[in-house]
Amino acid sequence: NAGVTQTPKFQVLKTGQSMTLQCAQDMNHNSMYWYRQDPGMGLRLIYYSASEGTTDKGEVPNGYNVSRLNKREFSLRLESAAPSQTSVYFCASRQTVNTEAFFGQGTRLTVV
Amino acid sequence: QQQVKQSPQSLIVQKGGISIINCAYENTAFDYFPWYQQFPGKGPALLIAIRPDVSEKKEGRFTISFNKSAKQFSLHIMDSQPGDSATYFCAASDKRGSTLGRLYFGRGTQLTVWP
Repeated sequence: NAGVTQTPKFQVLKTGQSMTLQCAQDMNHNSMYWYRQDPGMGLRLIYYSASEGTTDKGEVPNGYNVSRLNKREFSLRLESAAPSQTSVYFCASRQTVNTEAFFGQGTRLTVV
Repeated sequence: QQQVKQSPQSLIVQKGGISIINCAYENTAFDYFPWYQQFPGKGPALLIAIRPDVSEKKEGRFTISFNKSAKQFSLHIMDSQPGDSATYFCAASDKRGSTLGRLYFGRGTQLTVWP
């Protein structure tokens, strides 16, 4: 079972470049999430989609945009990357609120 | 504002000892409290979860204790093993209110179990 698949696994960007992180889940889950993980800061919620067709801001949405393309896919876009966006990004999904969340393997992004 | 506060940041325990990690929250709308375990280079994975209608839940060596009035919950790892060495995150979410659908995490505790 694939579960939650993130691409790419690693990426180096120059300041000002744009890119899209892709996430797909094959568990027919309704809710999907994007987090960033930084040392000592835990997992911080960037954006989430409680159900297909809806997206909402999380704790740290500035500098990011998202698209819930369909029920399976939820992408995160950096329009103009900044060094402060160097982080490990995780996508997660769950069936509904208050159920187990499944995480992808993460994308390690470095902005130079 | 941090929704879930976790302590300690790091914990070193001898093999066979008890590891205890604590979390606190303010939002009384939270009604689902999971704990996640993360190994280096991997995504977090669910370890155990509790809802506020019970005060304790045990799965093998892992126990969650929940104190609704104090708005605190904790993870106890009995007979800690070197294979338990990982980062542990507490989390909280709710199914109603302005934070509907959000899943908030604490800052994590890096557990090291010495053989």
